[in-house]
Amino acid sequence: NAGVTQTPKFQVLKTGQSMTLQCAQDMNHEYMSWYRQDPGMGLRLIHYSVGAGITDQGEVPNGYNVSRSTTEDFPLRLLSAAPSQTSVYFCASRSGGPDVGQYFGPGTRLTVL
Amino acid sequence: KNEVEQSPQNLTAQEGEFITINCSYSVGISALHWLQQHPGGGIVSLFMLSSGKKKHGRLIATINIQEKHSSLHITASHPRDSAVYICALSNFGNEKLTFGTGTRLTIIP
Repeated sequence: NAGVTQTPKFQVLKTGQSMTLQCAQDMNHEYMSWYRQDPGMGLRLIHYSVGAGITDQGEVPNGYNVSRSTTEDFPLRLLSAAPSQTSVYFCASRSGGPDVGQYFGPGTRLTVL
Repeated sequence: KNEVEQSPQNLTAQEGEFITINCSYSVGISALHWLQQHPGGGIVSLFMLSSGKKKHGRLIATINIQEKHSSLHITASHPRDSAVYICALSNFGNEKLTFGTGTRLTIIP
């Protein structure tokens, strides 16, 4: 199993550009989440999904869109990039059940100029 | 006030020492997570626990629900344990994890 994969690893955007961060998992996990990590702050939840076709907002959803058309894929779209979105983005997945932690992707480092 | 606080923020120790990292929280939870973030940035889930104690190799995690406190212990610490250790809170049926800012651990050979 590849686990959780994210592409790209690095990306530089100009203010106002749009792009999609890709996330895929091959473990048939129900739950998938997107987080951002900024210096001096803990990871913060952007959006999450509890299954195909079901998504919900996390703590910092503004400026981001998600969809979950398949169990495997959970792309994160930046609609109009802003310098405040410069961050490291992590995708994570987990199966259902009360005693199971999350599997994290390797992260995408995004810089918005 | 943050819902989850970790201490210490930074910890440097000699190889072989017994390490304790603390996590205190102020809200009701149904589970607490311990994560490890390597210097290269990758994040690994170490434990998810809702009561008592769990052990995996040299790592032990405990939680006291009444006192709203959890500890992560590392026995016989090794330089490869150098990482940031992150505590996070969750509620069942709710994927909204709340994360601490982490404890940076450095083990000196």
